[in-house]
Amino acid sequence: ILNVEQSPQSLHVQEGDSTNFTCSFPSSNFYALHWYRWETAKSPEALFVMTLNGDEKKKGRISATLNTKEGYSYLYIKGSQPEDSATYLCASQMGADGLTFGKGTHLIIQP
Amino acid sequence: DTAVSQTPKYLVTQMGNDKSIKCEQNLGHDTMYWYKQDSKKFLKIMFSYNNKELIINETVPNRFSPKSPDKAHLNLHINSLELGDSAVYFCASSSRLGTGNTEAFFGQGTRLTVV
Repeated sequence: ILNVEQSPQSLHVQEGDSTNFTCSFPSSNFYALHWYRWETAKSPEALFVMTLNGDEKKKGRISATLNTKEGYSYLYIKGSQPEDSATYLCASQMGADGLTFGKGTHLIIQP
Repeated sequence: DTAVSQTPKYLVTQMGNDKSIKCEQNLGHDTMYWYKQDSKKFLKIMFSYNNKELIINETVPNRFSPKSPDKAHLNLHINSLELGDSAVYFCASSSRLGTGNTEAFFGQGTRLTVV
């Protein structure tokens, strides 16, 4: 994998359902994996920064896991609420370079 | 208190003009970035400065010149603007890479429209 790839590109979920999406990233020269939440007309805001293989982080109903050996991370949202609607970006940080972002997963929660 | 602020928020200008976008952060971060959100909504890094020194310069036309008068400011100057420069430009800052939590804090974006 040469780039940061996210799937799916967009996702419609019913309110109350749980969901997850994927980020794949180059595993060579890995330093950290970031997840950001980006609401329309606002700036991206950091959710998690993970560095170690097997890392799991949680913030309320949102959690993330990291596998640096195979180069993927999952973001989970439990019991989706309308306010979870946003674009979720992952970004890989390799060595001393800046962040390389994926194209995001656009999540829409339907009441 | 806005952590990362960029001005202006909107900028409409004619082709061929020279314009600047300013960015300031009050987080005490050493590293600042400029990202461009392209037409497909993809965030791509343009420049990264660490303590006023350029550390990343992606393949960006040399009409774009970042200037960092001090580590709290990273301004973006664009010469001879072209239609294809129309985009949203985001400034961001983070702690120095390799020093722990390096989450990036973003400005609100500057929507540049070249007509």
